[in-house]
Amino acid sequence: KQEVTQIPAALSVPEGENLVLNCSFTDSAIYNLQWFRQDPGKGLTSLLLIQSSQREQTSGRLNASLDKSSGRSTLYIAASQPGDSATYLCAVKGTYKYIFGTGTRLKVLA
Amino acid sequence: KAGVTQTPRYLIKTRGQQVTLSCSPISGHRSVSWYQQTPGQGLQFLFEYFSETQRNKGNFPGRFSGRQFSNSRSEMNVSTLELGDSALYLCASSLEGFNEKLFFGSGTQLSVL
Repeated sequence: KQEVTQIPAALSVPEGENLVLNCSFTDSAIYNLQWFRQDPGKGLTSLLLIQSSQREQTSGRLNASLDKSSGRSTLYIAASQPGDSATYLCAVKGTYKYIFGTGTRLKVLA
Repeated sequence: KAGVTQTPRYLIKTRGQQVTLSCSPISGHRSVSWYQQTPGQGLQFLFEYFSETQRNKGNFPGRFSGRQFSNSRSEMNVSTLELGDSALYLCASSLEGFNEKLFFGSGTQLSVL
């Protein structure tokens, strides 16, 4: 049974810092991994999608890596801004559904 | 291009009632999936519809059901509501439901009293 864990559960950093969010999963048989951002009381916004055959994806200040063999993914956020404050979730796609982690709640202080 | 639209945004019901939630996917998207989000359990998969057929189903009781119409709009129904059904219900759409990004609606916040 696939389990997805995100550490840390919460993170508070000053503006401008580079930071890394972690996601680990127990079953390496995945089709893809997505990173999402969720603002309070809102839906999720897909940030990056990494196919199982890829090692990383980049979009602006965001970079996500995937290491299937070790069951790990990281989301790197460069030069963090207060607008980056949100909950970040990773999700892995198995045979027929996505399994979501519980998220990392990020607060970037001005 | 319009995003995923979910209605209503908020709902308050009492135990034993039933409720229907609606989701309109992005134009051209044929896969619609539903998720339940609670503080204790996080995001859990309910079911996925593709071309009016339920393609996959999560581990929820039969009180949770859904359907998809020919225009890809989807509805989910919960009968005999329980207090534990209080949650944010999210739907997501994608082109084919395989290896593409998921686009989520803002959700329906259901409170069961």
